[in-house]
Amino acid sequence: GAVVSQHPSRVICKSGTSVKIECRSLDFQATTMFWYRQFPKKSLMLMATSNEGSKATYEQGVEKDKFLINHASLTLSTLTVTSAHPEDSSFYICSVDYTDTQYFGPGTRLTVL
Amino acid sequence: QQQVKQSPQSLIVQKGGISIINCAYENTAFDYFPWYQQFPGKGPALLIAIRPDVSEKKEGRFTISFNKSAKQFSLHIMDSQPGDSATYFCAATLSNTGNQFYFGTGTSLTVIP
Repeated sequence: GAVVSQHPSRVICKSGTSVKIECRSLDFQATTMFWYRQFPKKSLMLMATSNEGSKATYEQGVEKDKFLINHASLTLSTLTVTSAHPEDSSFYICSVDYTDTQYFGPGTRLTVL
Repeated sequence: QQQVKQSPQSLIVQKGGISIINCAYENTAFDYFPWYQQFPGKGPALLIAIRPDVSEKKEGRFTISFNKSAKQFSLHIMDSQPGDSATYFCAATLSNTGNQFYFGTGTSLTVIP
């Protein structure tokens, strides 16, 4: 399978600041990456599909100006949470599409104070 | 409309017993059905997957049973161990379409010694 890393694993920030989360495909070039949000004891909520070299496709209800996604290379996609608020606190997980399967990163725990 | 329905929400099994988690899907065009295992604070990890051309797939203690006519598939964990305690997600997708996965709501499995 594919190996996916995320950085940071955990971040605490103040309300109003922006936070960038990196998702890296370590052993293959990923044309497509996905960003999910997960609330405690809940399922995975797809936020957006990130395509290398083009604009991300956001799911209905996800603010694209608040959750900025950049997929500038075949191994890196970034999610920036802009002007973070406490309600943005969550577990953010990325995945890559590899041979019809999604392989997930370890996740990033964001806490906004 | 929820594309994939998963049950039960939680499950408690004695060590050595069989854990069974069920999923039902809506779209008959789905052709790939993976199961993921997620431990607290970690990203989901691919456990086992099946395509509709077979009715059963076994990998070690994990078996997927697939019923195409009923649009249902299930995960069986034989000889359940405390280390299997985790949240399990089923998913369904139509491969080669950008691979958006439709996830079930998750089952929290606890295996008691």
